Amino acid sequence: EAQVTQNPRYLITVTGKKLTVTCSQNMNHEYMSWYRQDPGLGLRQIYYSMNVEVTDKGDVPEGYKVSRKEKRNFPLILESPSPNQTSLYFCASSLRTAQETQYFGPGTRLLVL
Amino acid sequence: AQTVTQSQPEMSVQEAETVTLSCTYDTSESDYYLFWYKQPPSRQMILVIRQEAYKQQNATENRFSVNFQKAAKSFSLKISDSQLGDAAMYFCAYRSAILGGGSTLGRLYFGRGTQLTVWP
Repeated sequence: EAQVTQNPRYLITVTGKKLTVTCSQNMNHEYMSWYRQDPGLGLRQIYYSMNVEVTDKGDVPEGYKVSRKEKRNFPLILESPSPNQTSLYFCASSLRTAQETQYFGPGTRLLVL
Repeated sequence: AQTVTQSQPEMSVQEAETVTLSCTYDTSESDYYLFWYKQPPSRQMILVIRQEAYKQQNATENRFSVNFQKAAKSFSLKISDSQLGDAAMYFCAYRSAILGGGSTLGRLYFGRGTQLTVWP
């Protein structure tokens, strides 16, 4: 089944404790992206990647890192999480960069205490 | 930067009736894509319908159709014969079709969403 998977789905952590949210797609998509969703703000892009080893910042990159060493994986790293990073996170992918529909993972709900 | 505006934070509709959700956007580009995504209580983002700006014909998917007015930069979603399962948050989104430099490359711009309630 073609899908985007994220792990973990739910995470409670404490300020400053490094964490990684994994994202994987099995559709051979070139483009991958991370969004965060906060009440009343819709979804905002954190980082995106147009292909392996090609990443760039979105609207709200502060406090996050990403890497794209393999085409299928695009992990989101929070080196020192803070409470303002409490949010719902989505990974998305599309076949190519501009023309294609983006498909979303199931979301990761993060709470930083 | 492109902006997407959904002016109705909440809407409600009776089962089997028709409802229209509004979306406007601001862009200087001529080639782009517009989407409606549905987010049910499970929080999954589900693509409802997609419209290419170069196509004059409005997209339809079963009970879902759009009214795309390119000059007015308007992209409304009509849900016909509403069902209880249609209850969800609906997001309008914009994506550039132009490959080029700059921070807009590949990004989806989302509106803030419209919460749709369906009454039995």
